[in-house]
Amino acid sequence: NAGVTQTPKFQVLKTGQSMTLQCAQDMNHEYMSWYRQDPGMGLRLIHYSVGAGITDQGEVPNGYNVSRSTTEDFPLRLLSAAPSQTSVYFCASRRQGDNSPLHFGNGTRLTVT
Amino acid sequence: SQQGEEDPQALSIQEGENATMNCSYKTSINNLQWYRQNSGRGLVHLILIRSNEREKHSGRLRVTLDTSKKSSSLLITASRAADTASYFCATDANAGNMLTFGGGTRLMVKP
Repeated sequence: NAGVTQTPKFQVLKTGQSMTLQCAQDMNHEYMSWYRQDPGMGLRLIHYSVGAGITDQGEVPNGYNVSRSTTEDFPLRLLSAAPSQTSVYFCASRRQGDNSPLHFGNGTRLTVT
Repeated sequence: SQQGEEDPQALSIQEGENATMNCSYKTSINNLQWYRQNSGRGLVHLILIRSNEREKHSGRLRVTLDTSKKSSSLLITASRAADTASYFCATDANAGNMLTFGGGTRLMVKP
C-alpha cells in the first residue's frame, strides 16, 4: 500500500492565484482531513470528511474548499491564494470509529508571494 | 485554538538518557494520542491512551494520562540518535472527527 499520497510536494503561487492540493489514500479509510502546519503552532485542522459526499469545517476553513466524490480522494482547493496561506499542508486519513490513529502524507510546502 | 500544549518546547539529551515530554489540555477527551514527526515528513502515530486508562507501554515508550489534571506525559527510555524528531500530543474530544494537536516538543538526542 502507498498509504496517503500528496501532490505536489512543493508549490509557489502568486497572490490571487488558485490551485488544488491533491490527496489520495489506498487504505479504504472513511475519514480524511487536511491540516496546515505553521512554525510553533502545531497542526490546525482545515476541513475533514467522514465519507464520500460528506465534508465539514475544521478550525481554520476560511479560504479553502474541499470535496469528497470518492473514498480515495480528498482535494483541497485554494480559491484565491494569500500570503497568510504560506504553510505546510498535510492530508491524513483513518478508519472511522473511535481510537483509530491518523495516517499522514508527507506534506505539500506552499509559498504564496 | 490549541487544545494541547507540550512542555518543554525543546529538549536536548545524550544518547542513552531518558526523555520526558509533557502535554496539557483544556477540555474532556475521549483519548489522547502521541505522534512523531521527522524533519520534512508527515506525522507518524506512536501510541494512543484512552480516557479510562492511566498508563500504557509500547517498546521504549511509556505514556501516562491524568484526567484530573488534564495532562499526559511521554517517556522515551534509553534514547537513541534516531529518536531525534518533534513529538506532538493530540486530543480527541469529538468522536475523533476533530483531532487537535499541540505545538510539539523538539527532541534532539546527541550521539
